[in-house]
Amino acid sequence: AQSVTQLGSHVSVSEGALVLLRCNYSSSVPPYLFWYVQYPNQGLQLLLKYTTGATLVKGINGFEAEFKKSETSFHLTKPSAHMSDAAEYFCAVSDSGGSNYKLTFGKGTLLTVNP
Amino acid sequence: DADVTQTPRNRITKTGKRIMLECSQTKGHDRMYWYRQDPGLGLRLIYYSFDVKDINKGEISDGYSVSRQAQAKFSLSLESAIPNQTALYFCATSLGATSGANVLTFGAGSRLTVL
Repeated sequence: AQSVTQLGSHVSVSEGALVLLRCNYSSSVPPYLFWYVQYPNQGLQLLLKYTTGATLVKGINGFEAEFKKSETSFHLTKPSAHMSDAAEYFCAVSDSGGSNYKLTFGKGTLLTVNP
Repeated sequence: DADVTQTPRNRITKTGKRIMLECSQTKGHDRMYWYRQDPGLGLRLIYYSFDVKDINKGEISDGYSVSRQAQAKFSLSLESAIPNQTALYFCATSLGATSGANVLTFGAGSRLTVL
């Protein structure tokens, strides 16, 4: 069974500040990990994903995440927040085998960016 | 036009009414999914379909049914709507790969309110 825990349902940062959204996962098999973003009144869209290989993954809009197996974490970061980053962010996990269609989502973290 | 189109985008109905939410896609993807989003709960899988003849229950299928009318169309029905089915519903699609990351493409969502 897989699970995802997103620490902090709401994170507020100032424009230009570091963004750090935390995600810890549990998986009995090597995981695939994802971050999705949901802008107001829109569906979710893929921000980045980790499958295999390099543990530091770069995504769209300057975001990146690092897979740390020892910490079972996949935290999302961006060096400098922009007002347009305000959205809800979801971490998700799937296994890397035949059940890879089963994505388990975290509860989401709402990011607010203050001017 | 959007890759994944959901209709209606908003619907208010009364307890006991039958409701159908429709989803169509132009991605050419084999797999289609229906998710439900509730505040603070993230996304939960209702049903998924790998092709027209393959439909499977997700984690919260009670009270829902689906129909895969064609590769591009997947509808969700609430036979007798109840207030706790008030939620935001998302249709999603993905390629039919048995390996590799299962990246979802989401529609914009259908907001359903059951009075």
